[in-house]
Amino acid sequence: NAGVTQTPKFQVLKTGQSMTLQCAQDMNHEYMSWYRQDPGMGLRLIHYSVGAGITDQGEVPNGYNVSRSTTEDFPLRLLSAAPSQTSVYFCASSWGFGTGDSPLHFGNGTRLTVT
Amino acid sequence: ELKVEQNPLFLSMQEGKNYTIYCNYSTTSDRLYWYRQDPGKSLESLFVLLSNGAVKQEGRLMASLDTKARLSTLHITAAVHDLSATYFCAVDGATSGTYKYIFGTGTRLKVLA
Repeated sequence: NAGVTQTPKFQVLKTGQSMTLQCAQDMNHEYMSWYRQDPGMGLRLIHYSVGAGITDQGEVPNGYNVSRSTTEDFPLRLLSAAPSQTSVYFCASSWGFGTGDSPLHFGNGTRLTVT
Repeated sequence: ELKVEQNPLFLSMQEGKNYTIYCNYSTTSDRLYWYRQDPGKSLESLFVLLSNGAVKQEGRLMASLDTKARLSTLHITAAVHDLSATYFCAVDGATSGTYKYIFGTGTRLKVLA
């Protein structure tokens, strides 16, 4: 099992550019989510999805879009990159939500720098 | 709004000593999660605490949950250098009716030889 796979691992963008961070999981998890990690601020939820075709906003959604056309994939799109979006981005998935012993499984992260 | 606070934020301790990390959360939740993150790495799950009074142990780490006090603790016994990492707690919003996992800001633990 590959688990949660994120690409790319590193990316440098110029202000105003757009790009998509890819996330795929092979565990048939219904729940998927995107977090950003900044020093001293822990992990903040950007968007999440409880199943294919269903997405919703987290704590810090501005400047980001998501879609969930399949169970496996949950891409994160930066519409017009800004220096404030410089961060480490993690994709995470879980089998269910709020049911039983179902922690989040994390990808290896994407380190994004916006200049 | 579901919020999670951890303290301390930084912890430097000698090998062989005991210490406790605290995790408080703001609204009702029946489940609490602990994760570990090594520098430059991803997060890995340590414990899932599913109910009031739950206690789980793995090696030198023991986690407990008091849902009435909205408090979880992660106790470190006889610390060793390999435990140096950042520890996060998180809660899910299932009881509050939201599909969100909310994380604390993390506790950065450094164990000194």
